[in-house]
Amino acid sequence: GESVGLHLPTLSVQEGDNSIINCAYSNSASDYFIWYKQESGKGPQFIIDIRSNMDKRQGQRVTVLLNKTVKHLSLQIAATQPGDSAVYFCAENKGGNQFYFGTGTSLTVIP
Amino acid sequence: DSGVTQTPKHLITATGQRVTLRCSPRSGDLSVYWYQQSLDQGLQFLIQYYNGEERAKGNILERFSAQQFPDLHSELNLSSLELGDSALYFCASSAHSLAGGDIQYFGAGTRLSVL
Repeated sequence: GESVGLHLPTLSVQEGDNSIINCAYSNSASDYFIWYKQESGKGPQFIIDIRSNMDKRQGQRVTVLLNKTVKHLSLQIAATQPGDSAVYFCAENKGGNQFYFGTGTSLTVIP
Repeated sequence: DSGVTQTPKHLITATGQRVTLRCSPRSGDLSVYWYQQSLDQGLQFLIQYYNGEERAKGNILERFSAQQFPDLHSELNLSSLELGDSALYFCASSAHSLAGGDIQYFGAGTRLSVL
């Protein structure tokens, strides 16, 4: 299958600090990427997406950066809050409707 | 609330049995996707239906099958269950995003425990 890997399985940050979650992908043909957040007992929730013709996309408190040269994706969360504690997945799509998900990074926000 | 409804929330059954998981997509969404999430495998794509027809197949076992009905709800059938089938099963439906891709909206999942 495709390889969408995460650099760190767990991440702890202080409340109010910025968080950066990284993701490496292996398929250079992938042209669309999504970050999802999954809280305990819930399904994955869309956060932000980006196409391969972009390097950066911003949402509310979140920014996704895409570096196609090194096949790297990151999610930046500004002013991290306790409600941001969850598992974060990146998913890649190389056309069609199949997405390949990484195993996730668990973010813990320390009050 | 994503708008995708999955039932039941929990299923406990025995090896060798057969179960059916049900999903209702968001209003207006024609696509339904099924995923399996286990601790050691992450989210694995199983199958996609679009407006009643199978569109894409992922790592779905032959013991598993799915269908999408005219009212667009979908069912995932798991038969001859094995202990290793214990997992969370998610359904998602999709909508087009401003970035040009299809965002998948996930239901809350069905937790299947095979004993």
